[in-house]
Amino acid sequence: DAGVIQSPRHEVTEMGQEVTLRCKPISGHDYLFWYRQTMMRGLELLIYFNNNVPIDDSGMPEDRFSAKMPNASFSTLKIQPSEPRDSAVYFCASSLGSGGLGQPQHFGDGTRLSIL
Amino acid sequence: GIQVEQSPPDLILQEGANSTLRCNFSDSVNNLQWFHQNPWGQLINLFYIPSGTKQNGRLSATTVATERYSLLYISSSQTTDSGVYFCAVSSGGYNKLIFGAGTRLAVHP
Repeated sequence: DAGVIQSPRHEVTEMGQEVTLRCKPISGHDYLFWYRQTMMRGLELLIYFNNNVPIDDSGMPEDRFSAKMPNASFSTLKIQPSEPRDSAVYFCASSLGSGGLGQPQHFGDGTRLSIL
Repeated sequence: GIQVEQSPPDLILQEGANSTLRCNFSDSVNNLQWFHQNPWGQLINLFYIPSGTKQNGRLSATTVATERYSLLYISSSQTTDSGVYFCAVSSGGYNKLIFGAGTRLAVHP
C-alpha cells in the first residue's frame, strides 16, 4: 500500500509569496494531521481533521496559516503571506478511525520549506 | 498538557554495541509511538506500543504504562541506526501526538 504522500518535497520561495503544501493520506484513513518541525520547537501539531472536518486547529501559529481537506484523499496547508520564520519541515500524517484514539499515525516524508 | 522527556539527549556508540533509550511521560496514554528520523529527515515508524513489549529484528520496545515510561532497545547497532529517535504520545481522549525532544544517536564504524 502507498503511504502518506506529500508534495513538494522541497520548496524555496521568497518572503511574501503564497505557499501551498499538499498531502494525500493513506486510503481509508479518516484522520489527517499536519505537524511542523523546527530546531527551536521540535515537532508540534498544527491541525488535525476527522472525516474531512477540522477538529483542533489550536496549533496553527497565526492567521497566515490555513488548512483545508476538500475530500478524504487530499489536504492542503497554505501560508499567505510567507515569512522567513515559517521555514521548517512540514509533515502530514494519517491514521485509521475507531474513534481515532490509540491508533498509530503514519507520516509522510515531509516538505522542507525555506522562505528567503 | 502531558509532558514527554527522553534520555539521553545524545548517544555515541561503536558499531556492534547495545543501547537503551528511555521515554518518560507525565500522564496515562492511549498512544505511544517510537520513530526514527533518518539523516534524510524521514520519520520512520518503529513501534506503536501504548503498553507491553514488542520486537522487530534488532529493535525491541517495552512500555510500562502504570509507571509511565517506555524503553527502546537497540542491539548490535549499525551505522544505519544513526539519526534521531523520537517518542510521541497522546492521552486523555485527544488525538494529537506530543513529541519528546528526541535522542540523537551516532553509531561509528
